[in-house]
Amino acid sequence: QVHLQESGPGLVKPSQTLSLTCSVTGGSISRSGFYWSWIRQHPGRGLEWIGHIFYNGSTYYNPSLKSRLTISLDTSKNQFSLRLNSVTAADTAVYYCARGGWTQDNWFDPWGQGTLVAVSS
Amino acid sequence: HSVLTQPPSVSGAPGQRVTISCTGSSSNIGAGYDVHWYQQLPGAAPTLLIYSNTHRSPGVPARFSGSQSGTSASLAITELEAGDEADYYCQSYDNSLSGSRVFGGGTKLTVL
Repeated sequence: QVHLQESGPGLVKPSQTLSLTCSVTGGSISRSGFYWSWIRQHPGRGLEWIGHIFYNGSTYYNPSLKSRLTISLDTSKNQFSLRLNSVTAADTAVYYCARGGWTQDNWFDPWGQGTLVAVSS
Repeated sequence: HSVLTQPPSVSGAPGQRVTISCTGSSSNIGAGYDVHWYQQLPGAAPTLLIYSNTHRSPGVPARFSGSQSGTSASLAITELEAGDEADYYCQSYDNSLSGSRVFGGGTKLTVL
């Protein structure tokens, strides 16, 4: 059974880069044929798709975040990562990683437990 | 402002039936893209409830069902239980947003 776990700093200063890693166990991310996704949830708000990376390295980003966003795979560690540049307080959120299915309109399952990232000086 | 529109809240007494709507447009649900539903219990990560409009995720009780028609989808919950109190989100794909997956704004279900 696939399990995902987010890790990274819980506090980032404004204008700096937010970096998170999602460790995947129970399956290989490079041979899976799946999308590997990031989703965030602002405090007390709904869910926002950030972007995802296909097992072959192709990336798809939320247009509202595209200019600041990089999602990458590290197949040697069976991990995928998110980097969000030039963060502001508006990027404060719980960040989830999830497996995003094998076609563009698939679902997210399973999800990691989420990690809260606060942007503050 | 979410691409998919859900009512902010619904409520029902134990044993009753409630439905949660998810309204989209011709670039997402109306274009034939599947709708999926998630349950988020307080303080927890979302979990998949219904996938591809009508299919229950393994372990999800038959009290939960999904449907889709035109540019909308619905989640129905029968025989409400206190443990169903949660936030519910619909999700689909939108072909007008550079290949984006989109969520509804979420619906808070209160069991009275």
